[in-house]
Amino acid sequence: DTEVTQTPKHLVMGMTNKKSLKCEQHMGHRAMYWYKQKAKKPPELMFVYSYEKLSINESVPSRFSPECPNSSLLNLHLHALQPEDSALYLCASSQTRDRGSSGYTFGSGTRLTVV
Amino acid sequence: SQQGEEDPQALSIQEGENATMNCSYKTSINNLQWYRQNSGRGLVHLILIRSNEREKHSGRLRVTLDTSKKSSSLLITASRAADTASYFCATGSLKAAGNKLTFGGGTRVLVKP
Repeated sequence: DTEVTQTPKHLVMGMTNKKSLKCEQHMGHRAMYWYKQKAKKPPELMFVYSYEKLSINESVPSRFSPECPNSSLLNLHLHALQPEDSALYLCASSQTRDRGSSGYTFGSGTRLTVV
Repeated sequence: SQQGEEDPQALSIQEGENATMNCSYKTSINNLQWYRQNSGRGLVHLILIRSNEREKHSGRLRVTLDTSKKSSSLLITASRAADTASYFCATGSLKAAGNKLTFGGGTRVLVKP
C-alpha cells in the first residue's frame, strides 16, 4: 500500500460545529503532517508528528487540534472554525529524517468550507 | 512562511516543447524536492535532490541544484498535455527541528495540445 487516505473528501461545517478530518497510511512511515492550502497558494505546514509525538506546531490556533492515535492514523479535530479557515487540508507522511531523506506521500486532501 | 520562491509564476507552452522553472531559497538545506499538483488535489512527489548532488534525472525530468546560488531548476522535456499542473519546489532545512518541508510559491504550467 503506497497511499495516504484522507476522509472525508469534502466537508461543509458551521462555525459552531465540531468535526474531524482523518488520515491513514500503511507504509510504515513514522512522520505524519498536516498542511493547509488556500487557492493558488502553496501548502503551509500546520503540524508534524514524529513517532506519534507532536514535534512541530506552527503556531496554529487552538481551534485546530491534532491527534495521532497510532503510527498509521492522524486526525485533525476542528471546533469553532471561522470562514477564513476554509481551505484544502492535506495530510502527508514520510520516513523520519533519522532514516534518511525521502519524499512525502500526500493524500488527496479534504476540501473544507466553513459557513 | 515560504522558503522558496519560484519563477515564473505561470508558464504556457505547446505540447512537445520543454518547460523550465526555477526555485530560489534562503537558508541551508538538507535536500530540495519537486512536487506536482493537479487541480488543487494532493501533491505528487516527483524528485528529490540532496544538497551534495548537482543534477538528477527521472524520466523526462531533469533537476539541477546550485547550493552556492541557493537555486534549483526543473526541466520537463517533450511536454504533454497531461503535464498541465502546478509545480512546487520544497526544501528540507538542516536547521529545522524534526522533519519540516517548506514549499515555494509554485509555477502553474499549461501545456496546450
